[in-house]
Amino acid sequence: AQTVTQSQPEMSVQEAETVTLSCTYDTSESDYYLFWYKQPPSRQMILVIRQEAYKQQNATENRFSVNFQKAAKSFSLKISDSQLGDAAMYFCAYRSTAPTGNQFYFGTGTSLTVIP
Amino acid sequence: DSGVTQTPKHLITATGQRVTLRCSPRSGDLSVYWYQQSLDQGLQFLIQYYNGEERAKGNILERFSAQQFPDLHSELNLSSLELGDSALYFCASSERTSSTDTQYFGPGTRLTVL
Repeated sequence: AQTVTQSQPEMSVQEAETVTLSCTYDTSESDYYLFWYKQPPSRQMILVIRQEAYKQQNATENRFSVNFQKAAKSFSLKISDSQLGDAAMYFCAYRSTAPTGNQFYFGTGTSLTVIP
Repeated sequence: DSGVTQTPKHLITATGQRVTLRCSPRSGDLSVYWYQQSLDQGLQFLIQYYNGEERAKGNILERFSAQQFPDLHSELNLSSLELGDSALYFCASSERTSSTDTQYFGPGTRLTVL
């Protein structure tokens, strides 16, 4: 079974600075998807960024970018120019491409605090 | 707003009881997924339905069951509730069942079992 590990339960960053959240995963599959979701206090799950495993280029969405290292099974999220609204729980997730289902496997999350 | 609605927002009940959580997917989405998020835990996949049929099963207890109706809304039934069932239950929907589909999450239902 796939497992996703987020080794940083809590992180903090100064407003306008850059922070990197770590994620590693374990899988025997060669094709899959990786995601970062944000969960603010409202508890809604909001998609931040998505990476297809077959793409070598790292995904970027405005201030959010990933460092995808397939061989190392590592998928970190970099947040640049951090804003107060970035404060939230961040979950790394893996999704199989298997036809029997498209469920996510989530990590336990990293709580990000942004310091004004 | 993702377009996925869940009711109720909060539910407080006692051990041994049965509850039903409801989810309405985004307009046009055929797949519905249920997840459980316990305190300080990541989300655990429970079950997926696609166009009325069960598609995939995850870590769903036998005391739990779900279904998807012809109008595509879904219900998650939790019975013989235990204290450990207290959690946030999320529903997500996607257009089809392809792995390329984006899943849109609802706001969740917070279940408290006393």
